[in-house]
Amino acid sequence: GAVVSQHPSWVICKSGTSVKIECRSLDFQATTMFWYRQFPKQSLMLMATSNEGSKATYEQGVEKDKFLINHASLTLSTLTVTSAHPEDSSFYICSARDFGTSSYEQYFGPGTRLTVT
Amino acid sequence: AQTVTQSQPEMSVQEAETVTLSCTYDTSESDYYLFWYKQPPSRQMILVIRQEAYKQQNATENRFSVNFQKAAKSFSLKISDSQLGDAAMYFCAYRREEGNLIFGKGTKLSVKP
Repeated sequence: GAVVSQHPSWVICKSGTSVKIECRSLDFQATTMFWYRQFPKQSLMLMATSNEGSKATYEQGVEKDKFLINHASLTLSTLTVTSAHPEDSSFYICSARDFGTSSYEQYFGPGTRLTVT
Repeated sequence: AQTVTQSQPEMSVQEAETVTLSCTYDTSESDYYLFWYKQPPSRQMILVIRQEAYKQQNATENRFSVNFQKAAKSFSLKISDSQLGDAAMYFCAYRREEGNLIFGKGTKLSVKP
């Protein structure tokens, strides 16, 4: 099956710094990727939709200047958390949509655990 | 807007027994996809089963099957012959036309040996 990777899998950063998370589709081209956030013991909430070559679409309540998304190629989307604060500590999961499948299957990365101290 | 509701925060089943997880949803769309995902402690999302709304036949994947009631907007997951490895969080999800998923709050399934 299709594989989506995320890097890093775990990161600790200091308050006020920025951190970048990469999401890659390894064996298919993904014109659309999604970024979700999951707080402990909660469900996944969509943050933004990332489309290759265009600006990301953010969900209501998500600060686009704080969570910068870049989808510069068909296999890579990045999420940069700028000026991170402890409340940004969460589990970030990306998924990539494979338009090569009849059902436009969506594949998830393994997630990135962000801890802001 | 679409919503997904899972009313069972936790469920427990004896190994080798059958358990059913409930899910209801709300939408005005006529064609859509519904999914059940499993999230083990590793937190990797694993697709369990998929149902296309236009298909009347309930989807089945080995020990996993769904009871899809379109008129009632119900989409329950039945796990037969439960195994210890089935213990995980289970999320019901609706796929929007834009492609992203709307998840329910999840059901934590425990399997007792």
